[in-house]
Amino acid sequence: KAGVTQTPRYLIKTRGQQVTLSCSPISGHRSVSWYQQTPGQGLQFLFEYFSETQRNKGNFPGRFSGRQFSNSRSEMNVSTLELGDSALYLCASSLESLSGRAPYEQYFGPGTRLTVT
Amino acid sequence: QKEVEQDPGPLSVPEGAIVSLNCTYSNSAFQYFMWYRQYSRKGPELLMYTYSSGNKEDGRFTAQVDKSSKYISLFIRDSQPSDSATYLCAMSLSRNTPLVFGKGTRLSVIA
Repeated sequence: KAGVTQTPRYLIKTRGQQVTLSCSPISGHRSVSWYQQTPGQGLQFLFEYFSETQRNKGNFPGRFSGRQFSNSRSEMNVSTLELGDSALYLCASSLESLSGRAPYEQYFGPGTRLTVT
Repeated sequence: QKEVEQDPGPLSVPEGAIVSLNCTYSNSAFQYFMWYRQYSRKGPELLMYTYSSGNKEDGRFTAQVDKSSKYISLFIRDSQPSDSATYLCAMSLSRNTPLVFGKGTRLSVIA
């Protein structure tokens, strides 16, 4: 079974620009979460989508947004980029079922390394 | 105080040693506990997943959760150079709440 894929893997943007990152979860996984990883703060939760609805949101400014499509693929967008947004952005998918008895394990993609100059 | 504390290391051990990695947490409501391994320039890879207290063993890896002490551990037996990576602990309140991560411990296993 193919793992979580993220595109692009590397990105360089200029301060003030916006960026869109993409994540394709493992087949059958309905939940997609996004994380920001920096050396100083570690892994921090951005938001989670389940069945096209945002289910949880971390403590990030409104410049960070996301969405999920009917095929569970997800995108996150960062507008008005700042130097501090330089980070590894990780997407994780997990299996959910209507009964809620599926094991709760999140599987991460390789990440998109964003550099803001 | 951060919700999850993890010694960043680096931790350097000889090949074959037993490695002990630990995290402490402040929120006693955490119920799900995970350990991830992250190689350089890669995404985290799930190693172990435990619900509530107790031990779980998988090959050379053993995860322990002590909820009374708010302390979790990962033991690696017969460590190998290929175990050299950053190990992240993570935990969550419930199935539908976000994971809270420690900052990770960098481990080097020297041949």
